[in-house]
Amino acid sequence: QKEVEQNSGPLSVPEGAIASLNCTYSDRVSQSFFWYRQYSGKSPELIMSIYSNGDKEDGRFTAQLNKASQYVSLLIRDSQPSDSATYLCAVNMNFGNEKLTFGTGTRLTIIP
Amino acid sequence: EPEVTQTPSHQVTQMGQEVILRCVPISNHLYFYWYRQILGQKVEFLVSFYNNEISEKSEIFDDQFSVERPDGSNFTLKIRSTKLEDSAMYFCASRELAGGRNIQYFGAGTRLSVL
Repeated sequence: QKEVEQNSGPLSVPEGAIASLNCTYSDRVSQSFFWYRQYSGKSPELIMSIYSNGDKEDGRFTAQLNKASQYVSLLIRDSQPSDSATYLCAVNMNFGNEKLTFGTGTRLTIIP
Repeated sequence: EPEVTQTPSHQVTQMGQEVILRCVPISNHLYFYWYRQILGQKVEFLVSFYNNEISEKSEIFDDQFSVERPDGSNFTLKIRSTKLEDSAMYFCASRELAGGRNIQYFGAGTRLSVL
């Protein structure tokens, strides 16, 4: 059973601080990694994708991937109250296996 | 900005009834997906669809489920005889054919309530 694991939280971070979200995955052949944000009662919204080892930055968001450790993380700098949501890690194997396998999500609360 | 559109936003049905959930994927996308999320649980893959046929389906997607692309724009999920445990949010997603690195864009979802 291919799994994606996340700490369910809740994770509370003061406004302006860095929020760090972590995810591990079990399938070594995984090729594509995504972070989605989901507000309560809403659909997943893509915020970051990463495919190669290392860091990828987009505005206040940085995704980090370490395939050897089967670990992907998301850093949110200068956290804002509007960042309060559940963050979903999703993994895809590519090469004919198109489905996304999601973790249970980490609930993040930014404290003003 | 192009988006995936789902209707209805909320569907209430009686156990045993058939329901059809509708999706209009982004217009230049050729891969389509259905996922579901039971309240408080993770998003689960149901089925993927490409070139007018199912390319992959999960164990959840049993004989009670079917998908169809009846015309050039709509993509539907049918549940033939709903059960209480089918109550969930159902999300449609789509992606481009090539170069998209499997970036899937999700619709707003249909909340299915089976009574």
